[in-house]
Amino acid sequence: QKEVEQNSGPLSVPEGAIASLNCTYSDRGSQSFFWYRQYSGKSPELIMFIYSNGDKEDGRFTAQLNKASQYVSLLIRDSQPSDSATYLCAVNPSGTYKYIFGTGTRLKVLA
Amino acid sequence: DADVTQTPRNRITKTGKRIMLECSQTKGHDRMYWYRQDPGLGLRLIYYSFDVKDINKGEISDGYSVSRQAQAKFSLSLESAIPNQTALYFCATSDLSSGRIADTQYFGPGTRLTVL
Repeated sequence: QKEVEQNSGPLSVPEGAIASLNCTYSDRGSQSFFWYRQYSGKSPELIMFIYSNGDKEDGRFTAQLNKASQYVSLLIRDSQPSDSATYLCAVNPSGTYKYIFGTGTRLKVLA
Repeated sequence: DADVTQTPRNRITKTGKRIMLECSQTKGHDRMYWYRQDPGLGLRLIYYSFDVKDINKGEISDGYSVSRQAQAKFSLSLESAIPNQTALYFCATSDLSSGRIADTQYFGPGTRLTVL
């Protein structure tokens, strides 16, 4: 089992719809969770982070964390073609200062 | 100016050559990291450093070495490049001072390395 798993996609959604991206992780003691967006050939850029169970909203983005079920998700409301990118989930396993990245989910927002 | 810079941005080299990738940051962060990214494999940690005197191996350090010349500079070397080191390389920084165990990492623009 991979430490951090994401569906590679592509996930295609129409413009204006909600895109839902999911990530599961294996280390139950993981404490910090991050979502990055990466355009093709570019560097990852942070969208948001979450540490506590529940939802965290930032503009059109909502991160959801469920530690009991070991998953973290990212919702993008009112999806725009400019949201088309690969979304990387990163997890900080317990007792380490490092990130483990998932392989990313490619999102396509269709105009 | 960018907070995290990497040089060169693109490099083509031959098998057996020594190559150095450089990373500089103006964010004042203590922690610096080197990753490589390959299609289908995601980002994998090569080395990380928490300060000038602290260097740690990541999950794929074989074939690589690093030098932390100053708080702001962290270089990655391939002593004898091989074709399977062809990848996109990213430097990242994070800030120890927030007190959290894992802080937000900020990435440089990347170096595309091709080893022929």
